[in-house]
Amino acid sequence: NAGVTQTPKFQVLKTGQSMTLQCAQDMNHNSMYWYRQDPGMGLRLIYYSASEGTTDKGEVPNGYNVSRLNKREFSLRLESAAPSQTSVYFCASSGQGATEKLFFGSGTQLSVL
Amino acid sequence: SQQGEEDPQALSIQEGENATMNCSYKTSINNLQWYRQNSGRGLVHLILIRSNEREKHSGRLRVTLDTSKKSSSLLITASRAADTASYFCATGGNAGNNRKLIWGLGTSLAVNP
Repeated sequence: NAGVTQTPKFQVLKTGQSMTLQCAQDMNHNSMYWYRQDPGMGLRLIYYSASEGTTDKGEVPNGYNVSRLNKREFSLRLESAAPSQTSVYFCASSGQGATEKLFFGSGTQLSVL
Repeated sequence: SQQGEEDPQALSIQEGENATMNCSYKTSINNLQWYRQNSGRGLVHLILIRSNEREKHSGRLRVTLDTSKKSSSLLITASRAADTASYFCATGGNAGNNRKLIWGLGTSLAVNP
């Protein structure tokens, strides 16, 4: 049982490049989330999907887009990467609602030069 | 915005000692959760305590919640080197925002062998 799987684990981009972070969960959870973690800022919610077919903005959505491809998969896209998007990104899922226990992936460390 | 504030920001103890960290929050909540993050890894859920509970145990972990003071504490008894990690509190079901968790900035715990 893999839980929440994120790819890639590391990525270096040049300013202006695009990329998609992939996330999949095998726990049949309805809700999925994308967070970024920065030193001194804690975890900040970028986007979330309460159920298949729905997505909503979190605290810091600018510069990102998401796709809830199906119940298992929730991807995060950076259309034109900026140095301010250098961060560690975490995908998470929850089977009991947005404010209940979250299961996290192992993270993607992204550097934008 | 961050609601939870962990205290202390950093804690260093010897193996076998107890570690106590605190979390304060600002609005009324439905639950408060504690997560652990080992260096370079994702967050792992430790324990969830609901607003109508005062104390909860899980193995060597003891969590208390005082809703009148809007604070919680996490006690790790008989600490081990493997407990070295960052610990985060998150509040759920916050007044005016029941759709996502609100995270603190974390306590960094070092357990020295």
